[in-house]
Amino acid sequence: AQSVSQHNHHVILSEAASLELGCNYSYGGTVNLFWYVQYPGQHLQLLLKYFSGDPLVKGIKGFEAEFIKSKFSFNLRKPSVQWSDTAEYFCAVKRGGYQKVTFGIGTKLQVIP
Amino acid sequence: KAGVTQTPRYLIKTRGQQVTLSCSPISGHRSVSWYQQTPGQGLQFLFEYFSETQRNKGNFPGRFSGRQFSNSRSEMNVSTLELGDSALYLCASSHPKGGTDTQYFGPGTRLTVL
Repeated sequence: AQSVSQHNHHVILSEAASLELGCNYSYGGTVNLFWYVQYPGQHLQLLLKYFSGDPLVKGIKGFEAEFIKSKFSFNLRKPSVQWSDTAEYFCAVKRGGYQKVTFGIGTKLQVIP
Repeated sequence: KAGVTQTPRYLIKTRGQQVTLSCSPISGHRSVSWYQQTPGQGLQFLFEYFSETQRNKGNFPGRFSGRQFSNSRSEMNVSTLELGDSALYLCASSHPKGGTDTQYFGPGTRLTVL
């Protein structure tokens, strides 16, 4: 069965620090990759997605992610975090076609001013 | 466009009861997926409906069921509630193109089972 691993469950950073959240998946075929974010009290919303093409994907609010096929990874990065980035971040993977989306367990990011 | 709406937002039930949750997708979206979100478990996929047909199903017991109507609105039902069913139930809709569609989530229904 397909699985998605997020290595860090709780991350605490100071403002202006750099962020990298790890995500690995187990399926070897064609995949669509997503990062979703859930700000406190808000709905889950899409941060960025990869379907094909350039493996470096840019999303909203200065986030980016790199798809490394050989490592089955899709890590999320941001060079300088802000207090407003405090949220829970979910990596998600969908196999090609009309397959279900599998989510990771989530990473809670706390940014200290 | 209005977003995904879910009703009710909060529910308190007792063990053994049953519950029905409702989801109205974004206008024009024909795919609706349901997830159970709990601390430490993340989002667990329940099922997906597309054009009134269940297209995918997660690993939940038969007590969890769903359906979709011709207007794409969806309901999920949980029978014989257990304490462990306490969770946030999320609904997500996506564009009919399928395959590479982005999911748009509703606010969720917070179910508490006493």
